[in-house]
Amino acid sequence: DVKVTQSSRYLVKRTGEKVFLECVQDMDHENMFWYRQDPGLGLRLIYFSYDVKMKEKGDIPEGYSVSREKKERFSLILESASTNQTSMYLCASSQDSGGYEQYFGPGTRLTVT
Amino acid sequence: QKEVEQNSGPLSVPEGAIASLNCTYSDRVSQSFFWYRQYSGKSPELIMSIYSNGDKEDGRFTAQLNKASQYVSLLIRDSQPSDSATYLCAVNSGTGGFKTIFGAGTRLFVKA
Repeated sequence: DVKVTQSSRYLVKRTGEKVFLECVQDMDHENMFWYRQDPGLGLRLIYFSYDVKMKEKGDIPEGYSVSREKKERFSLILESASTNQTSMYLCASSQDSGGYEQYFGPGTRLTVT
Repeated sequence: QKEVEQNSGPLSVPEGAIASLNCTYSDRVSQSFFWYRQYSGKSPELIMSIYSNGDKEDGRFTAQLNKASQYVSLLIRDSQPSDSATYLCAVNSGTGGFKTIFGAGTRLFVKA
């Protein structure tokens, strides 16, 4: 079974703090993704990576950056957290072949106060 | 224009009935289609994948794909209260390789 883990299930941070969200997958997947999910807005892609050290902006990259130094690990960084970044953050991974099915981690519910 | 559209619901069905969830997509060259189940407060879980026209069955779940009509559906037979969740339709962009477009989801309630 594919396993995707995220560093925290719940996180509370203050406005202006730098926030790191980490994601690790154990299936040697090439592709990794960061989404945020908000009520009524569905899943929105923040960034994705198709290889180590490679990254591409998704639909809503503003205020975020990412790092992928190792194949199994993909980090999302909030440079200066703001209250409008309060959300559920979901990491996913997929193989670079076949149907590209994405498998999700458990999510991190981030609250910025 | 939304690329993957679903009725947000809620769809309410009695226990034991068939629940029918529908999805349309706009990218004609899409190749892979998925259904995810998401319980409240949890992350999406892949329950079905379908790649060719027709039906694909897995237990109580049947996915149906019609590429000509750009339509994909999920049938849940003998619905159980534990099936109550939001169901996300997802489509792999035919031109974008591994990038997947998700619908906003349909909320399903199964009444005991």
